[in-house]
Amino acid sequence: NAGVTQTPKFQVLKTGQSMTLQCAQDMNHEYMSWYRQDPGMGLRLIHYSVGAGITDQGEVPNGYNVSRSTTEDFPLRLLSAAPSQTSVYFCASSSSGSRRYIQYFGAGTRLSVL
Amino acid sequence: DQQVKQNSPSLSVQEGRISILNCDYTNSMFDYFLWYKKYPAEGPTFLISISSIKDKNEDGRFTVFLNKSAKHLSLHIVPSQPGDSAVYFCAASADKLIFGTGTRLQVFP
Repeated sequence: NAGVTQTPKFQVLKTGQSMTLQCAQDMNHEYMSWYRQDPGMGLRLIHYSVGAGITDQGEVPNGYNVSRSTTEDFPLRLLSAAPSQTSVYFCASSSSGSRRYIQYFGAGTRLSVL
Repeated sequence: DQQVKQNSPSLSVQEGRISILNCDYTNSMFDYFLWYKKYPAEGPTFLISISSIKDKNEDGRFTVFLNKSAKHLSLHIVPSQPGDSAVYFCAASADKLIFGTGTRLQVFP
């Protein structure tokens, strides 16, 4: 009963490096989202997807790319890491219809950019 | 421009008493409201929700109240228990979910 799985749990990057945060869900959910959590800022939506092959931008998309080739996976790519991207990243999934707002979150990836 | 605001960053309540967490919003197009609970080193988990056509929803010890005219949402926890100590986020949606900044609840014996 895995739910939403995020890897890695922790990562330290140098400025300018790139990396991919992995997210997988086994609930056959159509909706998947990426959020970042910063002190005093709550959870902010980075990118989201309403199904395989469909992605869209959230509130803070700059510096991040996503793709959704399968229902299960929704990786988040940092193209050139910056210190401002130091944050805790959460992936979430939800079913469609009236329950699409009830999101199931992964445990998070804590990222530090030096 | 914070569309969903939780003005109290922290709240401390004695075990057995009522905890009241508040949330204000600015967008009158929001039609669905939720509360999530987050423990340290874990992702948020869904707690309770309410549609804009209702003004109250109960689930056990948790009740959410919605005052649309005041654009105000509150979560009542009765009675509060030490295991309720966590960060609580309110969220609202018209299209995408917008989260508040969170309130840290501490329930002490």
